[in-house]
Amino acid sequence: GAGVSQTPSNKVTEKGKYVELRCDPISGHTALYWYRQSLGQGPEFLIYFQGTGAADDSGLPNDRFFAVRPEGSVSTLKIQRTERGDSAVYLCASSLQAGANTGELFFGEGSRLTVL
Amino acid sequence: GENVEQHPSTLSVQEGDSAVIKCTYSDSASNYFPWYKQELGKRPQLIIDIRSNVGEKKDQRIAVTLNKTAKHFSLHITETQPEDSAVYFCAALLSGDDKIIFGKGTRLHILP
Repeated sequence: GAGVSQTPSNKVTEKGKYVELRCDPISGHTALYWYRQSLGQGPEFLIYFQGTGAADDSGLPNDRFFAVRPEGSVSTLKIQRTERGDSAVYLCASSLQAGANTGELFFGEGSRLTVL
Repeated sequence: GENVEQHPSTLSVQEGDSAVIKCTYSDSASNYFPWYKQELGKRPQLIIDIRSNVGEKKDQRIAVTLNKTAKHFSLHITETQPEDSAVYFCAALLSGDDKIIFGKGTRLHILP
């Protein structure tokens, strides 16, 4: 596709439920990032993939959060036993290069998660 | 942990005047500093970036300056226009970790 695609754009769920958020990066981009953005705040780093492997998952809040990128393209962020505090916009971004040559991050429109 | 501090959180300037947003970072080995603009309800988009081998970069009305010794960098917008109203985020690439950390943002209002 032309840009980073995220689905769903909106997700309303009940406390305790399981949620999956999908990110389809720009074709050819090896690096993929997940961020969480709460109202009035900056994007908060969650996890970063270089290819299929999670290069850095230090931003995941706890073990309820998990992300995969099995074929080095599409990524899924999984949240178990959702809590009201998980409500936020989850942003995915991809970039052509990573490491010291990291350049522009191309963001998706985000998935707005609301936990009731 | 490593972080990026940004100020002010809100800035109002008269149309046509200049706006300056400042950021500091803690990782002295950081070498890449992008700035993103986020309009209401939209995704963040890169407006300018700078690497540590230069001290200043300009693109039309936008410029970024970097002081590696003091570990701070600034965004300058001249001749501000109504469409400059948005939230601006600074960020830094943490060396070794290869992750980009964002500041909390500055909401810029351009007054008519």
